[in-house]
Amino acid sequence: DGGITQSPKYLFRKEGQNVTLSCEQNLNHDAMYWYRQDPGQGLRLIYYSQIVNDFQKGDIAEGYSVSREKKESFPLTVTSAQKNPTAFYLCASIRAGWGHGYTFGSGTRLTVV
Amino acid sequence: DAKTTQPNSMESNEEEPVHLPCNHSTISGTDYIHWYRQLPSQGPEYVIHGLTSNVNNRMASLAIAEDRKSSTLILHRATLRDAAVYYCILGREGAQKLVFGQGTRLTINP
Repeated sequence: DGGITQSPKYLFRKEGQNVTLSCEQNLNHDAMYWYRQDPGQGLRLIYYSQIVNDFQKGDIAEGYSVSREKKESFPLTVTSAQKNPTAFYLCASIRAGWGHGYTFGSGTRLTVV
Repeated sequence: DAKTTQPNSMESNEEEPVHLPCNHSTISGTDYIHWYRQLPSQGPEYVIHGLTSNVNNRMASLAIAEDRKSSTLILHRATLRDAAVYYCILGREGAQKLVFGQGTRLTINP
């Protein structure tokens, strides 16, 4: 079955370290997204990419970086510049056009220790 | 981005219909109305979406007001598994991104 795979499910980071969260999809979707969710809150957009080798900042891009070298993959790096990285991170993808809905991954929970 | 307004929480009983309201008074002509739901510690799940006409699928129905300034997600017969946070979101054609609000936390009583 097609879907989005996020890994790892849980991730612990020491302060000052960079970590990379993986997001892979086999849906042949064009656009991919990264969202951050804090406890009891809605989702906030970090970065999104509509085509390979191109991406745009979302509402809270500071302290994060992404790449889109392949259509299937959209990894997110949480850098040491992100002062409060502990959160639930969600990756999503969508086919071109608004006749379709997002498909979300199961998320990565990042904790700074 | 056009905003939506939803009640923070709602409660219903098992096997009864549930009507989840959403106001979107600043909706534009090219905005689709999307609904997603999220269970604890999981990614959101697509429920339904529409533009102007009412929509039905195996999960729910979406009733859109004639002026499109509000919509209602209808769960015809709630089960305990329907307990989740429900998000009503507007997706603008060409913008290719969805902005999530706080959603409505739905509690289903057995």
